[in-house]
Amino acid sequence: DQQVKQNSPSLSVQEGRISILNCDYTNSMFDYFLWYKKYPAEGPTFLISISSIKDKNEDGRFTVFLNKSAKHLSLHIVPSQPGDSAVYFCAARKTSYDKVIFGPGTSLSVIP
Amino acid sequence: DTGVSQDPRHKITKRGQNVTFRCDPISEHNRLYWYRQTLGQGPEFLTYFQNEAQLEKSRLLSDRFSAERPKGSFSTLEIQRTEQGDSAMYLCASRPTGTKGSGANVLTFGAGSRLTVL
Repeated sequence: DQQVKQNSPSLSVQEGRISILNCDYTNSMFDYFLWYKKYPAEGPTFLISISSIKDKNEDGRFTVFLNKSAKHLSLHIVPSQPGDSAVYFCAARKTSYDKVIFGPGTSLSVIP
Repeated sequence: DTGVSQDPRHKITKRGQNVTFRCDPISEHNRLYWYRQTLGQGPEFLTYFQNEAQLEKSRLLSDRFSAERPKGSFSTLEIQRTEQGDSAMYLCASRPTGTKGSGANVLTFGAGSRLTVL
């Protein structure tokens, strides 16, 4: 049972435009959500997170939106840059349970 | 360098052989995690430690897999009698405990150890 889903395996965006990566989850007990970015031959690196008590968190060009009623979150990257080309993983956690569950990832290509 | 270190980065082995991976976490991090990632999938949880105590093991971790963290510092993941299905990237991550806010939830990953079983 996949508790964190990323239904788009890949996404291509023109440089300077907005990239929107989507994530759905099934477990309503999750109370913390994270996005990680992964380049080839490297481990995932933390990008941005959001607590379930918030609906938006912004850090520079990156904004994460959380819609708890829909069990949906999205990562917006504005403006997209070629260096943003990577695999993006959505992840979720219950604070009372120390395991982070990852989605399958979305491969983002930003075209110059 | 204060990041998470993993060794070796790549391991090619024949089916039936044993392999061992090592992870050195960030020194002040007392939680250490092992994940496995296969092509097209996200990292899958295998096990984690609080200092030297192994607190949880995934059902993915068959009895051919064993992990240790002696003295609560580095950790090893051993796979005995490897099978082709064990081919994957094995990722180690660490985080501090007792941290409030976002820091308590963020795992810092190493670059991974890629295993190829022929």
